[in-house]
Amino acid sequence: SQTIHQWPATLVQPVGSPLSLECTVEGTSNPNLYWYRQAAGRGLQLLFYSVGIGQISSEVPQNLSASRPQDRQFILSSKKLLLSDSGFYLCAWFDREGAGELFFGEGSRLTVL
Amino acid sequence: ILNVEQSPQSLHVQEGDSTNFTCSFPSSNFYALHWYRWETAKSPEALFVMTLNGDEKKKGRISATLNTKEGYSYLYIKGSQPEDSATYLCAFEDNYGQNFVFGPGTRLSVLP
Repeated sequence: SQTIHQWPATLVQPVGSPLSLECTVEGTSNPNLYWYRQAAGRGLQLLFYSVGIGQISSEVPQNLSASRPQDRQFILSSKKLLLSDSGFYLCAWFDREGAGELFFGEGSRLTVL
Repeated sequence: ILNVEQSPQSLHVQEGDSTNFTCSFPSSNFYALHWYRWETAKSPEALFVMTLNGDEKKKGRISATLNTKEGYSYLYIKGSQPEDSATYLCAFEDNYGQNFVFGPGTRLSVLP
């Protein structure tokens, strides 16, 4: 069966520091992968999605970036965090072979101080 | 920019009450409409994925309908229970599996 993991679960970082959140999927190949963010009191905002290795689409201009170095690995990064980057980040993958639903990781809560 | 809206923003009901929420989405470039339940301290989990106008889906006490021509979907919960307390999200999918746009969610609290 397929599983998705993301880490770290919780992160407290100072403004201006770098960020790396990692997401891996097991049990499937060539999935579509997504990074979402939930800011306080708001819904899920799509940040990036990827349909294959090295293919990244950005939905929102920001100081975050994403990379997909391997088929089942998706990384969210920043060189210098802003206060506004605080939020709950979710990685997800899309099941083309099943019911066509998104499966989400456990989430990473980022607090920028 | 695609806009997906949900109402109400939050809802408090008594155990046993039936309730419903609304999701509105663009009627053009539609591929599918998703409903997810997001419980506190857990990941969102899919409830329904609907693709055809007039679709109705049911899972236990929860059901959903879809109107793609006018761009709305309803989620119904019959006989609400405290374990139904969660945020219910809808998501509009266009261009098959590339772009999922979520609404802001409806937060449901069921009081015992």
